[in-house]
Amino acid sequence: AQSVTQPDIHITVSEGASLELRCNYSYGATPYLFWYVQSPGQGLQLLLKYFSGDTLVQGIKGFEAEFKRSQSSFNLRKPSVHWSDAAEYFCAVVGNTGTASKLTFGTGTRLQVTL
Amino acid sequence: DGGITQSPKYLFRKEGQNVTLSCEQNLNHDAMYWYRQDPGQGLRLIYYSQIVNDFQKGDIAEGYSVSREKKESFPLTVTSAQKNPTAFYLCASTHKTVNTEAFFGQGTRLTVV
Repeated sequence: AQSVTQPDIHITVSEGASLELRCNYSYGATPYLFWYVQSPGQGLQLLLKYFSGDTLVQGIKGFEAEFKRSQSSFNLRKPSVHWSDAAEYFCAVVGNTGTASKLTFGTGTRLQVTL
Repeated sequence: DGGITQSPKYLFRKEGQNVTLSCEQNLNHDAMYWYRQDPGQGLRLIYYSQIVNDFQKGDIAEGYSVSREKKESFPLTVTSAQKNPTAFYLCASTHKTVNTEAFFGQGTRLTVV
């Protein structure tokens, strides 16, 4: 069964500093990977996705992520964090099994930004 | 604008009562999903539906029921059999059954009083 691990529950960075949120997945074949962001009490917004091709993918709000098959990772990065980036971030994987897009989510990383 | 609408945003239920959460989408998406979110546990799949009049159990279906009578609508009933229903519930939809991103509603926070 597919699974996602986000090892960092909570991260604090200063505004303007760089950010990297870790995500490791477990899946037997080529996964489809996503990063979502959630503000408190809100739904999830897609930041970026990887299906195939270039392993470095660009998303909205200046985020990017790199798919590394050898490390089973899909880490999210941003060169310079803004205070408005404070939120919870979820990595997710969907298996290419021909069934419905059953996303499996990690437990999330809460990002706090200090001024 | 197209999107997913969940209602109500906040819901209070007495113990022993059933309650239904609404989810409507006007994106013409085929598949719809219900997730439960608890602090520190991420999102867990309750039920999903790929087509009208068909649905499958997710990972935590016990104590919940759904229906899919229309493509646009996928209501979730939290029954009295659900032991710990207080949570944040999210509805989502996807256009195709494979390989597309999910669009989410704004969620319903259910509290048992």
